[in-house]
Amino acid sequence: EVQLVESGGVVVQPGGSLRLSCAASGFTFDDYAMHWVRQAPGKGLEWVSLISWDGGSTYYADSVKGRFTISRDNSKNSLYLQMNSLRAEDTALYYCAKDISPGIAAAGTFDYWGQGTLVTVSS
Amino acid sequence: EIVMTQSPATLSVSPGERATLSCRASQSVSSNLAWYQQKPGQAPRLLIYGASTRATGIPARFSGSGSGTEFTLTISSLQSEDFAVYYCQQYNNWPPTFGGGTKVEIK
Repeated sequence: EVQLVESGGVVVQPGGSLRLSCAASGFTFDDYAMHWVRQAPGKGLEWVSLISWDGGSTYYADSVKGRFTISRDNSKNSLYLQMNSLRAEDTALYYCAKDISPGIAAAGTFDYWGQGTLVTVSS
Repeated sequence: EIVMTQSPATLSVSPGERATLSCRASQSVSSNLAWYQQKPGQAPRLLIYGASTRATGIPARFSGSGSGTEFTLTISSLQSEDFAVYYCQQYNNWPPTFGGGTKVEIK
């Protein structure tokens, strides 16, 4: 059974930093690209970032580019999101999501999601 | 980026009736379109990808159609567990983008 378990969400002040983690199990982690997707309270879904299966390629939404860094440790079956210079508009539930397609080319659609970790940016 | 527009925002349907949800892309996304279901307090669940392929374990009452810029999700006979918010998402162009959602509520 595929499981994705996020952690690290807290209340942080504007301008602060935070690192989210996602522990994966139930599939061959290093076969798949992984994503972060967020959802502001009461709002829709926004894709945030993608990392390729080997960590060699990363992509970001314009809204977080230059402030967030995605990474992975395939030896630990873990995905991370380093979030710097946080803003109020980054307040959201952050989901870790598995890409549907194995291999080099990420499909960009998500077949398994974690339950999310809540990041609140507030003074 | 490609803008995805869903309609209606809210759909009121009686159990057992058919529900038809629409999704429009601001430019062609070919068949690279997915649908997700989200219930309150839960993560989204993949229903359909490739515009019409049901994901693993998704009941046959869910079907997707369309290509290019116009897409439809049909729920043939609504069950109590189907009342939720539904999102479409394109993955033809980066970044992947989602529609604003359609809430299917009990009439």
